[in-house]
Amino acid sequence: KNEVEQSPQNLTAQEGEFITINCSYSVGISALHWLQQHPGGGIVSLFMLSSGKKKHGRLIATINIQEKHSSLHITASHPRDSAVYICAVSGDSNYQLIWGAGTKLIIKP
Amino acid sequence: DAGVTQSPTHLIKTRGQQVTLRCSPKSGHDTVSWYQQALGQGPQFIFQYYEEEERQRGNFPDRFSGHQFPNYSSELNVNALLLGDSALYLCASSRTSGGALVYNEQFFGPGTRLTVL
Repeated sequence: KNEVEQSPQNLTAQEGEFITINCSYSVGISALHWLQQHPGGGIVSLFMLSSGKKKHGRLIATINIQEKHSSLHITASHPRDSAVYICAVSGDSNYQLIWGAGTKLIIKP
Repeated sequence: DAGVTQSPTHLIKTRGQQVTLRCSPKSGHDTVSWYQQALGQGPQFIFQYYEEEERQRGNFPDRFSGHQFPNYSSELNVNALLLGDSALYLCASSRTSGGALVYNEQFFGPGTRLTVL
């Protein structure tokens, strides 16, 4: 079993829909990261969370430390949100990021 | 602030050659991590540099080596290139707070796409 699990693996939605991507982890962490990668492109860090909730524009990220679960929400989705969204965790005794497999999101106009 | 920069953007090499990739961290950052991302795969941790030393290493052979300079910039060197080394190489910078295991937000560069023929 992977230490970081994401769901769904693929998600296709219509423009304007509310999007939720989930991440569960099984290791102790110091922080959880949500990152975005467009096809052929580099990685952009969206959020780093250690507790609670963060909001940036139409993006909202939440984390429940007790349940070892985080969600990334996109409100009023737009075709430009189409990308791979990756959940990664910083272990509490490890410097490297442990990566989820990513969720490929396609927003259709 | 230029953020994290990497050079070159693209690179084509042949098997057996050696390559050097470069990364300049975001201003104020002192820690550089390198990742390899094969096509269609998630990034794999190569190693991390802090205070000019390799602090942690992933499961990569000794053909992969690195260096960090006093200005915190870093190089990734790969010797004896194999076809399987073709990938996007990502650099990420962060700030280590007093050397403690406090992991601050990582900023990623645009990557260097290496093709080995």
